Amino acid sequence: DGGITQSPKYLFRKEGQNVTLSCEQNLNHDAMYWYRQDPGQGLRLIYYSQIVNDFQKGDIAEGYSVSREKKESFPLTVTSAQKNPTAFYLCASSPQGLWDNQPQHFGDGTRLSIL
Amino acid sequence: GQNIDQPTEMTATEGAIVQINCTYQTSGFNGLFWYQQHAGEAPTFLSYNVLDGLEEKGRFSSFLSRSKGYSYLLLKELQMKDSASYLCAVKDTGFQKLVFGTGTRLLVSP
Repeated sequence: DGGITQSPKYLFRKEGQNVTLSCEQNLNHDAMYWYRQDPGQGLRLIYYSQIVNDFQKGDIAEGYSVSREKKESFPLTVTSAQKNPTAFYLCASSPQGLWDNQPQHFGDGTRLSIL
Repeated sequence: GQNIDQPTEMTATEGAIVQINCTYQTSGFNGLFWYQQHAGEAPTFLSYNVLDGLEEKGRFSSFLSRSKGYSYLLLKELQMKDSASYLCAVKDTGFQKLVFGTGTRLLVSP
């Protein structure tokens, strides 16, 4: 079955530590996205990528970094510069990127907490 | 600026009909999406509107009025499994991205 796989489901970060969240899709989608979801707030866009080897900052990119070396993969690194990383992180993909009106498909999310 | 408003929480009874409203003010508009999200799970796509009018899909319907910056999601014959959050998201032409509302948590009781 095609879909988006995020791992791990739960992740704990120590002070000063960088952690990387994995996102893999086998839907052959060109575009991929990372969102952060906090209680009582809508999904906020961290980074997005329309094509391999290219990515753009979203609304809240500070303290995060990404790479897009393969079409299937879009890992997100939460760096020590992100002072409030505790949140639910969602990865999404869509067929042709932001100019196409196809819906985004979401992974099951990673819940990140600070130790 | 970007602003999308939805009620925070709604309650309804099994078998009833409920309407979840969404109003938006965005710098551009290129379509409106509705997603369903159960607690701790991924949002799943429900509907898409880009032209004015009603789109029906089984028990779920979605309406759009672009001139009023208004949409609603109508859920009929409510079931317990419909208890979830419903997210309204607008595709903005300016930055070609989705802007999400805070979501409406729907609680369906027996």
